[in-house]
Amino acid sequence: GDSVTQMEGPVTLSEEAFLTINCTYTATGYPSLFWYVQYPGEGLQLLLKATKADDKGSNKGFEATYRKETTSFHLEKGSVQVSDSAVYFCALSPPGGANNLFFGTGTRLTVIP
Amino acid sequence: NAGVTQTPKFRILKIGQSMTLQCTQDMNHNYMYWYRQDPGMGLKLIYYSVGAGITDKGEVPNGYNVSRSTTEDFPLRLELAAPSQTSVYFCASSAGRSGANVLTFGAGSRLTVL
Repeated sequence: GDSVTQMEGPVTLSEEAFLTINCTYTATGYPSLFWYVQYPGEGLQLLLKATKADDKGSNKGFEATYRKETTSFHLEKGSVQVSDSAVYFCALSPPGGANNLFFGTGTRLTVIP
Repeated sequence: NAGVTQTPKFRILKIGQSMTLQCTQDMNHNYMYWYRQDPGMGLKLIYYSVGAGITDKGEVPNGYNVSRSTTEDFPLRLELAAPSQTSVYFCASSAGRSGANVLTFGAGSRLTVL
């Protein structure tokens, strides 16, 4: 079935360090892929998305490229800030727009000054 | 604009008790969802609704019930609480299907069953 495997956490980085959070997926066809972020005390919110192969989603300095050949959607940021400390969730929606998102386990990122 | 509001934020139940998690959205979204997140696991869909009066099961519906009498409200009912229902519950809403529309989430409700 459809599933998402996400990099285990927690991840602790110094400010201005480079961030990569790995995400791979299993799905038939071409799913849509998402990164959601949860800041402390808040609900999850969409960070970025990509709906077809080779698409790059970007927002707030974060980027992720939909790689069909490696079934991956890794999240990257060139220089993290303390305000990026949060839990990051990778998710997929199966082709055809089903009423479900399959989420990864979440990766907690802490950025220290 | 409050978005999605969940209550309560925390609750401790004894085995066999029942309770209702409340969820309200003020964005006039047709689609609403309940997810649960167990430690070390991803979010799992419990139930969803595509409009008032219409609900359907997700991946893990056993032990739960829902209703959707209005566009705004989507309460989740736990009957005969069990330790396996200890989890963090998230309500979400969207204007359309989750694959093509952004989900707006509530802040979560942490439930412990002892």
